Amino acid sequence: QSVLTQPPSASGTPGQRVTISCSGSSSNIGSETVNWFQHLPGTAPKLLIYSNNQRPSGVPDRFSGSKSGTSASLAISGLQSEDEADYYCAAWDDSLNGPVFGGGTKVTVL
Amino acid sequence: QVQLQESGPGLVKPSETLSLTCNVSGGSISSYYWSWIRQPPGKGLEWIAYIYYSGRINYNPSLKSRVTVSVDTSKNQFSLKLNSVTAADTAVYYCARDHYGEGDFDSWGQGTLVTVSS
Repeated sequence: QSVLTQPPSASGTPGQRVTISCSGSSSNIGSETVNWFQHLPGTAPKLLIYSNNQRPSGVPDRFSGSKSGTSASLAISGLQSEDEADYYCAAWDDSLNGPVFGGGTKVTVL
Repeated sequence: QVQLQESGPGLVKPSETLSLTCNVSGGSISSYYWSWIRQPPGKGLEWIAYIYYSGRINYNPSLKSRVTVSVDTSKNQFSLKLNSVTAADTAVYYCARDHYGEGDFDSWGQGTLVTVSS
């Protein structure tokens, strides 16, 4: 059982916008920044968004993040076939004094 | 560009100790937080522990009684030991760099599958 809650799956057709939610509590998302990772099977996870809405160099601006209260979301606009992957949210947890992850959302491009 | 590479046995017997090392290249380990994270088959990511280059450490409470992490700045590597393993510890184990110490893991190893089986 993951500390942060994500829907197990999301899907869209090429060009569509897909949004993934991430719900937490006051000890993590409510008081800390949220990060998002893209994970393709057999590869290392890739940092997609950090500090709620910042993109590392090289990440397309099709990916955007936002946070409100104890929830956060990742949006993928202009969905492409290469976006088919698992997406995880993460945030520092003040009670744990360490990071917690969501259970992951599998994005399928129809 | 910093690179991380995990190494260690891929098969460990139940009740024995899982030992992994993460070699850091292309940058110094003497900065940042360095973490171990695992992913059991078909499940999500689980943070295990972090270590700061100075030696400050924190463990996930769910694993704290069985985990030890250490850092060797002279070799630019850090290590994980998990004792008394069971089948539930079978997972892909990743080492990762936490850039700001806020769970923003910006560099990861490729991961190594460790299977616990007799």
